[in-house]
Amino acid sequence: NAGVTQTPKFRILKIGQSMTLQCTQDMNHNYMYWYRQDPGMGLKLIYYSVGAGITDKGEVPNGYNVSRSTTEDFPLRLELAAPSQTSVYFCASSAYRGTGNTIYFGEGSWLTVV
Amino acid sequence: AQKVTQAQTEISVVEKEDVTLDCVYETRDTTYYLFWYKQPPSGELVFLIRRNSFDEQNEISGRYSWNFQKSTSSFNFTITASQVVDSAVYFCALSEDNYGQNFVFGPGTRLSVLP
Repeated sequence: NAGVTQTPKFRILKIGQSMTLQCTQDMNHNYMYWYRQDPGMGLKLIYYSVGAGITDKGEVPNGYNVSRSTTEDFPLRLELAAPSQTSVYFCASSAYRGTGNTIYFGEGSWLTVV
Repeated sequence: AQKVTQAQTEISVVEKEDVTLDCVYETRDTTYYLFWYKQPPSGELVFLIRRNSFDEQNEISGRYSWNFQKSTSSFNFTITASQVVDSAVYFCALSEDNYGQNFVFGPGTRLSVLP
């Protein structure tokens, strides 16, 4: 079972470059999320989506953009990368109401901005 | 506001020892969910358990057990007869709603199991 798949796994960006982290899930989950995990820290929510066409900001949205054109895909765009965005990024998803809200995570994307 | 505290930053034990990872949470809601996730050195996040606030039964799964006590707002995790493969960062998390928007993680506890 694929679950939540995110790419790339590793990436080095120069300051000011832009890139998109791809995320797709095959569990037909309505809810999707992007988190970042800074070294030695817990996770912080960047953006989330409750369904196709609907997105909302989390705790740390500045410097990021998302879109949700399909149920399966939830890409995260970094515009004008900054060293502060060096982090590990996790995409995640959870089912709609009635089945609880266990969040399943992708394997993470390690991003370094130099 | 919700908050999750994992006071133990790092724990080291010798293989076969038992170890308990502490988790204390804060919430104003009467309905909430608690979670434990494992993050091994490879980096992925692995779901271990979910508990809702109305179910205070302790749970055992193999060498893992969880002690949920609403009176002390704690959801502690015990590994019995620890193994080297248990070495990981363990995160406790809290969700106040059914859809995960307010899903808060603790800072994590790094467990090192030495052979």
